[in-house]
Amino acid sequence: AAGVIQSPRHLIKEKRETATLKCYPIPRHDTVYWYQQGPGQDPQFLISFYEKMQSDKGSIPDRFSAQQFSDYHSELNMSSLELGDSALYFCASSLGGGDPTDTQYFGPGTRLTVL
Amino acid sequence: KNQVEQSPQSLIILEGKNCTLQCNYTVSPFSNLRWYKQDTGRGPVSLTIMTFSENTKSNGRYTATLDADTKQSSLHITASQLSDSASYICVVSAGNAGNMLTFGGGTRLMVKP
Repeated sequence: AAGVIQSPRHLIKEKRETATLKCYPIPRHDTVYWYQQGPGQDPQFLISFYEKMQSDKGSIPDRFSAQQFSDYHSELNMSSLELGDSALYFCASSLGGGDPTDTQYFGPGTRLTVL
Repeated sequence: KNQVEQSPQSLIILEGKNCTLQCNYTVSPFSNLRWYKQDTGRGPVSLTIMTFSENTKSNGRYTATLDADTKQSSLHITASQLSDSASYICVVSAGNAGNMLTFGGGTRLMVKP
């Protein structure tokens, strides 16, 4: 079965550079979530989209932005990268647009290293 | 502040044995509680989801319980297998939409032969 696809899987950037992470949800899933998991930390919710509109916003820095496109894939844009942005970034998708018992299916993550 | 606390932090058991993982939460308004299994370096995989009105749910050898009064949940693993070695994360959803997840610190389980 198709799963959530994230690209790239690994990314190395320098301070003050920009990065774009991509997420391709499971086919027919209309909701996408982004999470950041720092080394040894719990995943933290960043932002979510339902039907191309932002649905919830968590602890996403102002330097980050995200959007969901017409084909439901999503991109997380990160600017002015800082050392503390080094983390594993997970994308998850679900079907049902707001059903509180929706299962979120997670992708394999993108490991971002900022030097 | 919404918080999810899990215990123990780590656990080592022998293959074939049972174990129980604990989760306490202070999340308001509560929407649902989920247990995830996460292998190192990979995305979490959903095991169970329980809403306020559910007090137990099973998925194969995994059985989760929920006591909404005491705000506690447990995940019981029966007849453990080597492949059960992973982190088990308790995740609680808050809010009307219930889609913003608060993650616990996880319990690192190691099953030895």
